[in-house]
Amino acid sequence: NAGVTQTPKFRVLKTGQSMTLLCAQDMNHEYMYWYRQDPGMGLRLIHYSVGEGTTAKGEVPDGYNVSRLKKQNFLLGLESAAPSQTSVYFCASSYSGPIYNEQFFGPGTRLTVL
Amino acid sequence: DAKTTQPPSMDCAEGRAANLPCNHSTISGNEYVYWYRQIHSQGPQYIIHGLKNNETNEMASLIITEDRKSSTLILPHATLRDTAVYYCIVRMNTGFQKLVFGTGTRLLVSP
Repeated sequence: NAGVTQTPKFRVLKTGQSMTLLCAQDMNHEYMYWYRQDPGMGLRLIHYSVGEGTTAKGEVPDGYNVSRLKKQNFLLGLESAAPSQTSVYFCASSYSGPIYNEQFFGPGTRLTVL
Repeated sequence: DAKTTQPPSMDCAEGRAANLPCNHSTISGNEYVYWYRQIHSQGPQYIIHGLKNNETNEMASLIITEDRKSSTLILPHATLRDTAVYYCIVRMNTGFQKLVFGTGTRLLVSP
């Protein structure tokens, strides 16, 4: 199993450009998450999904949109990139159910907005 | 979710035990203590979790005080590959709940 994969690994954008980050998991997890991590800080939740076709806002959703058209994929979109969105983006997934299960994280996407 | 307090950094000699403390004095009765770590530039990795009993797995041991206001993560024989940022997180164990990452403890294991 590949676990959680993220595409691309690195990207440089100019202010105002758009892009989509792709997260894929092959563990049949219901829950998926997008986090961002700024230098010297912990991860902050952007958006999450508790199942195919559903999405919800996290702590820092402004400037981002997400879609979960397929269970195994969770897409994060930046419609008009800003320098403040320069960060490392991590995707994660976990099982659902009444008892919490650990989150499995992808390797991250390092995004620079000039 | 309860807030946690961790020292910003710790050092440990290779082969020795690394004891990472975490204070969670406002933890409620149904909240668990979780530990994740993040090796440089990688995604966080789950280590262990517990409610009130001490827990051990192949990676580490978790010691929770009787009043549950603090805990210690123990890496029994630290290696250079254990150099990472360690996050202590408190959360309930049911339903959907986000992980609240603080700034963690940066552990440096030296030869």
